[in-house]
Amino acid sequence: QSALTQPASVSGSPGQSITIYCTETSSDIYGYHYVSWYQQHPGKAPKLIIYDASSRPSGVSSRFSGSKSGNTASLTISGLQAEDEADYYCGSYTSSSSSFGSGTRVTVL
Amino acid sequence: QLQLQESGPGLVKASETLSLTCSVSGGSIDSSSYYWGWIRQPPGKGLQWIGNIYYTGSTYYNISLQSRVTISVDTSKNQFSLKVSSVTAADTAMYYCARLFDDLGDYRHWGRGTMVTVTS
Repeated sequence: QSALTQPASVSGSPGQSITIYCTETSSDIYGYHYVSWYQQHPGKAPKLIIYDASSRPSGVSSRFSGSKSGNTASLTISGLQAEDEADYYCGSYTSSSSSFGSGTRVTVL
Repeated sequence: QLQLQESGPGLVKASETLSLTCSVSGGSIDSSSYYWGWIRQPPGKGLQWIGNIYYTGSTYYNISLQSRVTISVDTSKNQFSLKVSSVTAADTAMYYCARLFDDLGDYRHWGRGTMVTVTS
């Protein structure tokens, strides 16, 4: 199973772009690792915003984008808005097992 | 539209067994492309994956919890369940059930969650 490392917090002003990085350490070096990203507002269930590292589900703003290089995935939020203030978690899936990063608190200044 | 609903006691005494059920509506639990998972979140902390189950009963657990966790499925009721034995205060958390899309490894549908508090 994987360990995923994220920064505890990231902040930005409205209109700016921010990037959250997620670094994966896994004992399974051969299997393909699917990366997803989730947004969670206080008191709410997590919401999928990126799947398969860079794809957006229907209805998710195009201001959210993802990428992956080697064992590091990233989530970029462009044109930061007040409503983007939330916790963001990366997730990894391989060999029928899942894991989540520790989470990043995004603050809109 | 797929909906998941967690249910179970909100209070559990330390050393006892926590039992929760996730009821699925708007879709069949025996769909071949999906696993069904449990995820928990202690107050003020991050998400912790507990385990996944396929409709055939195949299970996959977080290594750190597997000695105390059992996930089962009841296809006749379109439900799956979670049991955590020998609970302590560290098991106090919001517990979510969710559907995992196996082809791409993401949880696209989540329940609203149910809070479980372990009391001494």
